[in-house]
Amino acid sequence: AQTVTQSQPEMSVQEAETVTLSCTYDTSESDYYLFWYKQPPSRQMILVIRQEAYKQQNATENRFSVNFQKAAKSFSLKISDSQLGDAAMYFCAYRGGGDYKLSFGAGTTVTVRA
Amino acid sequence: GAGVSQSPRYKVAKRGQDVALRCDPISGHVSLFWYQQALGQGPEFLTYFQNEAQLDKSGLPSDRFFAERPEGSVSTLKIQRTQQEDSAVYLCASSWRQGPTGELFFGEGSRLTVL
Repeated sequence: AQTVTQSQPEMSVQEAETVTLSCTYDTSESDYYLFWYKQPPSRQMILVIRQEAYKQQNATENRFSVNFQKAAKSFSLKISDSQLGDAAMYFCAYRGGGDYKLSFGAGTTVTVRA
Repeated sequence: GAGVSQSPRYKVAKRGQDVALRCDPISGHVSLFWYQQALGQGPEFLTYFQNEAQLDKSGLPSDRFFAERPEGSVSTLKIQRTQQEDSAVYLCASSWRQGPTGELFFGEGSRLTVL
């Protein structure tokens, strides 16, 4: 089974500043997908960003970007210009190329200070 | 519907009671997943349906857990003789595509508390 590790239980960021969330994973596969999900208090998981392992270019979605280091098996999320609405729990997730199950990390709680 | 709908949002059960949690996926979505999320943890896979076929139930913790999707749309997760360790949020997700591709859309979950 794949292991996804998020080593930061909590992160705090000042509004308009940048915060980076860490994620490492363990796999022997060469074809896979990585995801960052946001879970606000409403509990609904929302996809933030997705990265295909075969793509060398880092994915970006507006204020969200990733730093994908395949050799190091690292997949960090950068939130730029943090907004109060970014406060939530963020989960890193892995899915094998031929698989349908997601393996999630334990999550990082992000608080945004006004 | 506009999104994945789950009910009830909150359920309190006494140890030993049976519970049923319902998931109404987005109309037309072929794939349906159940995940269990313990407090402060990431979700863990329970089971996967493609239409009405349950293709994978390897994540179900015990034979007290049973899931069905008889007509390929609404799904029910049933837990018999609930135990305190069953307390968790149960998330349902659906996707319009078969197999590994396709974005997952999650519901808001059903929080089960077993006393």
